[in-house]
Amino acid sequence: QKEVEQNSGPLSVPEGAIASLNCTYSDRGSQSFFWYRQYSGKSPELIMFIYSNGDKEDGRFTAQLNKASQYVSLLIRDSQPSDSATYLCAVNMWAGGYNKLIFGAGTRLAVHP
Amino acid sequence: GAGVSQSPRYKVAKRGQDVALRCDPISGHVSLFWYQQALGQGPEFLTYFQNEAQLDKSGLPSDRFFAERPEGSVSTLKIQRTQQEDSAVYLCASSPQRGVNTEAFFGQGTRLTVV
Repeated sequence: QKEVEQNSGPLSVPEGAIASLNCTYSDRGSQSFFWYRQYSGKSPELIMFIYSNGDKEDGRFTAQLNKASQYVSLLIRDSQPSDSATYLCAVNMWAGGYNKLIFGAGTRLAVHP
Repeated sequence: GAGVSQSPRYKVAKRGQDVALRCDPISGHVSLFWYQQALGQGPEFLTYFQNEAQLDKSGLPSDRFFAERPEGSVSTLKIQRTQQEDSAVYLCASSPQRGVNTEAFFGQGTRLTVV
């Protein structure tokens, strides 16, 4: 079992719809959870992070965390073609003295006009 | 700029050649990470530095991979006797904290192609 799992997609949604991206993780001790967006040929850029159970909203983005189910999701409202990218879920794992980010394989999102 | 800088952006190496990839983190950042990202995959952890100390090299795939950060700022990832399976994007990230608590800042990466 991989430490962070994501559906590779592609997830295709029409413009204006809600895109829902999901991620599960294996380490129950993980405390912080991150969503990065990566355009083709570019480096990952942080969208948001969450560390408390529940929802966290930032503009059109909402991250949801359920530690009991070891599940993190990202909702993108009013999806735009410019949101088309790979979305990487990352989990903060304690490595004995420091936290390191462990990434999932990413979910490709395609928003079509 | 004030971001993480990596060079070269692209590197083509013949199989068996040695390569050196450079990362210049954000000034003052304590932590520096190297990741390897194969095509269509997420970044895979290679190694971690806290200042000049290499605290974790558990992700280095073989003894052909070597990393250093001698003065606690610039880091170099060296790959000896490159193989085709080493072809990937190598990402460097830095963080102001010990490890990552809120955000790691990524460089643009070095795309290595071994032919």
